[in-house]
Order: sequence, then C-alpha cells, then structure tokens
Amino acid sequence: GQQVMQIPQYQHVQEGEDFTTYCNSSTTLSNIQWYKQRPGGHPVFLIQLVKSGEVKKQKRLTFQFGEAKKNSSLHITATQTTDVGTYFCAGRENTGNQFYFGTGTSLTVIP
Amino acid sequence: GAGVSQSPRYKVAKRGQDVALRCDPISGHVSLFWYQQALGQGPEFLTYFQNEAQLDKSGLPSDRFFAERPEGSVSTLKIQRTQQEDSAVYLCASSFAGPYNEQFFGPGTRLTVL
Repeated sequence: GQQVMQIPQYQHVQEGEDFTTYCNSSTTLSNIQWYKQRPGGHPVFLIQLVKSGEVKKQKRLTFQFGEAKKNSSLHITATQTTDVGTYFCAGRENTGNQFYFGTGTSLTVIP
Repeated sequence: GAGVSQSPRYKVAKRGQDVALRCDPISGHVSLFWYQQALGQGPEFLTYFQNEAQLDKSGLPSDRFFAERPEGSVSTLKIQRTQQEDSAVYLCASSFAGPYNEQFFGPGTRLTVL
C-alpha cells in the first residue's frame, strides 16, 4: 500500500542554521501538502505543490516537488526559534481523496 | 465560527464504552476529513465527506468506527465498544472544496481509553 516516509525523524539545529526535511512516497502523487504542527497543537497548512518539478518559496521556506512527483522537500534558511515544531508532508494519489501523511520531522532550534 | 471546532477536547472512556466526537467545520466548507493521530505519529486518514456524502471510509480501522454528516455541516465520529488501542487524538479537518484545497484542522479530541 501507499507509504510516505520522511527523514530525518528529528533534527536539532543552532539558531541561524539551515534545515531540510525530505518526503518520499512509494507511489506517484497528484499533489502534496506541507503542514506544521507545534507541540500540543494541530497541523497548520503551509503550502501545496501540484506540478512536477515545482518550487515555491515563502520567505525563508523553500518547497520542492520532484520531477517524478514521488518526493518533496522543505528547506528552511537561517532557522529561528519560532520554526520549532513538527513538519509533515501529506500526499494524495491521482485516484482517491485521502491524504497520506508522512512520519514527520521534529525540529528543535537551540537559541 | 472562525475556525474548525471539535468537542469534547478531552474524553476518558472505560474500555467497552461508546463515544461520540463532534466536529464543526468552517461554514461553507464542502469537504470534511477525519484523522487519527497517535502520539509521535502523523495523522492517519479515517474518512472523507463531500457535503453529506461519505465518499471514502477506507481508513476506518474496524466496524466499531462510524462517521456521519447528515446535513453536510456538523460531523460526528462514533466509536463503539472502545478499546485501549483506540486511544489517540482524533482530528477533524475541513476544506472549501475538494482535495486540492488546503485543509483547516480543528484542535482535536484526545481520547483515552482505560
């Protein structure tokens, strides 16, 4: 069945360092969404990618969708303490309505 | 309301009891999703509604789980004869149209089965 894996599971960085999380799907995706969940909170939508090879930027965040639409990445430049949380990707196949969430990457930023 | 609301926020049930979890989506949102999130894991899809129609219930783990959205707005997730493995946070999300739109999540209901 469909699986979405994320690496790394945990990442500790010094404030100001960069951070990247990678998302890999076992099947081709129609679209992929990224969410951020703060400790004790609920997932909050960040971005959606639809096109093969798509790159989108939000201030210090850069999102990429692979050419084969089976992988994606989120890169944060110059992390800040406000970036702390768990980042999830969620992919949807061409057929069906369900989103498969990745295992998440928990980011800790050390001031 | 301003966002998705869920009630109760916390529920403790004895094994074997039935529970009902409520979700109030954002007004006008057509799509509604239910997810189960275990501690330290990503949300796992349970079921999907488009208006009042349950289009996908492939993620419901057993026939003890039942969801409804009779008027296309409020939704209820019911779990019968709860078991310890049902302990998790149950998240509801709504989106304006179909699965190409961002999902707005509610705060979740933390269910603990003793």
